[in-house]
Order: sequence, then structure tokens, then C-alpha cells
Amino acid sequence: DVKVTQSSRYLVKRTGEKVFLECVQDMDHENMFWYRQDPGLGLRLIYFSYDVKMKEKGDIPEGYSVSREKKERFSLILESASTNQTSMYLCASSFQIRGDTEAFFGQGTRLTVV
Amino acid sequence: SQQGEEDPQALSIQEGENATMNCSYKTSINNLQWYRQNSGRGLVHLILIRSNEREKHSGRLRVTLDTSKKSSSLLITASRAADTASYFCATDAVGDYKLSFGAGTTVTVRA
Repeated sequence: DVKVTQSSRYLVKRTGEKVFLECVQDMDHENMFWYRQDPGLGLRLIYFSYDVKMKEKGDIPEGYSVSREKKERFSLILESASTNQTSMYLCASSFQIRGDTEAFFGQGTRLTVV
Repeated sequence: SQQGEEDPQALSIQEGENATMNCSYKTSINNLQWYRQNSGRGLVHLILIRSNEREKHSGRLRVTLDTSKKSSSLLITASRAADTASYFCATDAVGDYKLSFGAGTTVTVRA
């Protein structure tokens, strides 16, 4: 079974802190993603990566950066956390087979910024 | 930008009844997928239907796709309490390799 593991289930940080959310997948997938999920807004894509050291902005990249130094690990960084970044963060990895993309998700990190 | 829009936002049904939810999208797609999310957890892939398919079944799940209307439906038959979850459609757009998700339908199955 594919496993996508996020480093924390719950996290509380203070405004202005630098926050690292880590995600590791064990299936050698090329693609990895960070989404945030807010009530009524569904999942919104923050950043994605299709290869080591490659990254692309998603729909809401402002206030975030990412790092992918190894294929299995994709980190989301909040340079200076703000209260409007309080949210559920979901990491996913995916592969393509016959042109179809199927995503596998981690269990989510619920981040509260106080 | 969000591609899929689910309808209804919330659904409450009795155990044993069928649950139907719909998804509309905007651009050309390779496929459309449905995912389930149990409360406070990550999403789990349920079923994928390709753009050249019209209907697909998997256990108690039935998915239809109408590319002319840019819409899909997910039917869960003979619902169980364990089906209580949020359901999301996701589109895999032509020329893209990321998925775009809608806001989801929250299904509550009453015992």
C-alpha cells in the first residue's frame, strides 16, 4: 500500500514563527502536492512538484514556499505564520498510469496559528 | 482555480437508502475522480472514470459522466453508517498532471 506520511497531526504555532510541514511518500512517485482545506472552499492547491528540486505554484502560493531535495520528501514552509494560515494542510503524491493521475493523501496536519 | 463544484453541499439519509451527489466542471478533462474523506482525515481515492466512459461501477458505487454537460454523478447504493463522510470530485485536466478539487458534499447516514 502507498503510504504518505505527514510529520504532525496537530500543530500550534505563534504568529511570525517559521513553520515547517513535512511529508514523506514511500512509493517513488514523481509528483507531490500541498493543499490547504478550509470549510466551504474545498481543497486549494498551494504548490506542487513534479521532480526533485522542481516546483510549481498552485492557486494560492502567497505566504508559502516549498522544498524538495529528495524524491520522497516534500516540505511546505510558512516563512512567517499568520492567523489566516490556520487551516488543514494535506499532502499528496501521485503517479500517472496510461495518462491518468491518481493521488494518495496523507492524514493531514491541522495547523493553528495564534 | 477550483474546477469541480459538488451539489448538494450536504445530504442526510437513512441507512439503506441511496445517496446521489453531482459534480460539474469547466474544462476538458482526461478523467474525473471521486474521493472520500472521513472526519479530520486525508482523502481516499474511490473511483476514476475516463473521459471516453459514460458509466462505471465499483461495489456499491456507481459513477456517471456526461462530457457534453461537463457533469458527473456519484451514487452510493444501500448506504451504511460507515459511508458518513465528505465526498469530493477531482478533475484531471487535459495537458495537466495535477488534480483540481471541488468543495465537497458532506453525507450523513442515520442509523
